[in-house]
Amino acid sequence: KNEVEQSPQNLTAQEGEFITINCSYSVGISALHWLQQHPGGGIVSLFMLSSGKKKHGRLIATINIQEKHSSLHITASHPRDSAVYICAVTSMGRAGSYQLTFGKGTKLSVIP
Amino acid sequence: SQTIHQWPATLVQPVGSPLSLECTVEGTSNPNLYWYRQAAGRGLQLLFYSVGIGQISSEVPQNLSASRPQDRQFILSSKKLLLSDSGFYLCAWSVLSGYNEQFFGPGTRLTVL
Repeated sequence: KNEVEQSPQNLTAQEGEFITINCSYSVGISALHWLQQHPGGGIVSLFMLSSGKKKHGRLIATINIQEKHSSLHITASHPRDSAVYICAVTSMGRAGSYQLTFGKGTKLSVIP
Repeated sequence: SQTIHQWPATLVQPVGSPLSLECTVEGTSNPNLYWYRQAAGRGLQLLFYSVGIGQISSEVPQNLSASRPQDRQFILSSKKLLLSDSGFYLCAWSVLSGYNEQFFGPGTRLTVL
């Protein structure tokens, strides 16, 4: 079974700061996902990546397959970025199906 | 475009009462469907998944059950709720692929008193 570890668990930043959230996993994967959970509970997919780097606006996600590690970066952070960021990986589960394994999330608070 | 609905949004139930949470997906056919629970301070836990009508796989033995009576309908049930069933329940869907990108519903917050 894949184990997904995220760090830090909680993060408080001043508006404008550069933020990094880390994710590591234990077993080979077919894809890694970064999700954002808003205070109301809804979950939105930010990135799905299997190699390299992706960028959407102020968000950048990178993955190193050899090191089994991914980072999510937020540039010029803003209070509206406050949310829980969840890392999840796709790997083969029981009975040969692809399943997601989730980290516990990183709670980000950006202070004006 | 595809949308996923869950109801109710919030629910307060006494211990020992039954439960029925519903999830429906629009705009896609034959999706994989998932029920997750998120307890306070913990990660998402997969409860059930389904690859087709009537096909349910359980990941965690417990007093919950799931059913898929129609292609785009997924129901989570319990005959008698426990205090430990409190949490945030999320339904998700995906297409069959090796990446398994999943799309989540808005969730149901269940409080068992």
